[in-house]
Amino acid sequence: GAVVSQHPSWVICKSGTSVKIECRSLDFQATTMFWYRQFPKQSLMLMATSNEGSKATYEQGVEKDKFLINHASLTLSTLTVTSAHPEDSSFYICSARDPGQVGTDTQYFGPGTRLTVL
Amino acid sequence: AQKVTQAQTEISVVEKEDVTLDCVYETRDTTYYLFWYKQPPSGELVFLIRRNSFDEQNEISGRYSWNFQKSTSSFNFTITASQVVDSAVYFCALENAGGTSYGKLTFGQGTILTVHP
Repeated sequence: GAVVSQHPSWVICKSGTSVKIECRSLDFQATTMFWYRQFPKQSLMLMATSNEGSKATYEQGVEKDKFLINHASLTLSTLTVTSAHPEDSSFYICSARDPGQVGTDTQYFGPGTRLTVL
Repeated sequence: AQKVTQAQTEISVVEKEDVTLDCVYETRDTTYYLFWYKQPPSGELVFLIRRNSFDEQNEISGRYSWNFQKSTSSFNFTITASQVVDSAVYFCALENAGGTSYGKLTFGQGTILTVHP
């Protein structure tokens, strides 16, 4: 199956700093990527839909100025958590859809990035 | 609005027991996809199955089987002869096949399965 990578796999930062998380589709071009957040022992919640070449679409309640998303190429989407605070500590997971696989519509998930804000 | 409910928060079984994880969903769409994912302690989601809303055939894959019933909006997952390696969090998810919600997954709350030796 297709592979999606995330970098870094974990990051610890001080409160007030910004953190960038990368999501890459390694063997296919993804026009659409999704960013999810998962708090400990909770479910995954969709944060935003990242579209190549256009602005991201954010879900209700997600601050677009705090979670900046850039989908600069067909294989890379980045999520920047600006001025991170302890409550932003979470597991961030991206997924990518392979448009080349007509009819399957399968999303491929990255391994996730664990963010800890001190 | 879409909703996925996994009523069982935690299940604990002894190895070799069969276990069924329940999933009930709500959607107004006539075309949608249902998924099951496994999340081991490492955190990475492992895709298990995708089912189209028009395909109500049950499916078996090794020790795994799925029962899809549109009449009750349920998509239950059974593990036969459970093993310790099956211990993980299992998520049921729903995706609309079109419209503005295309591609967006709505996840259930997850069921923590612990299989004891």
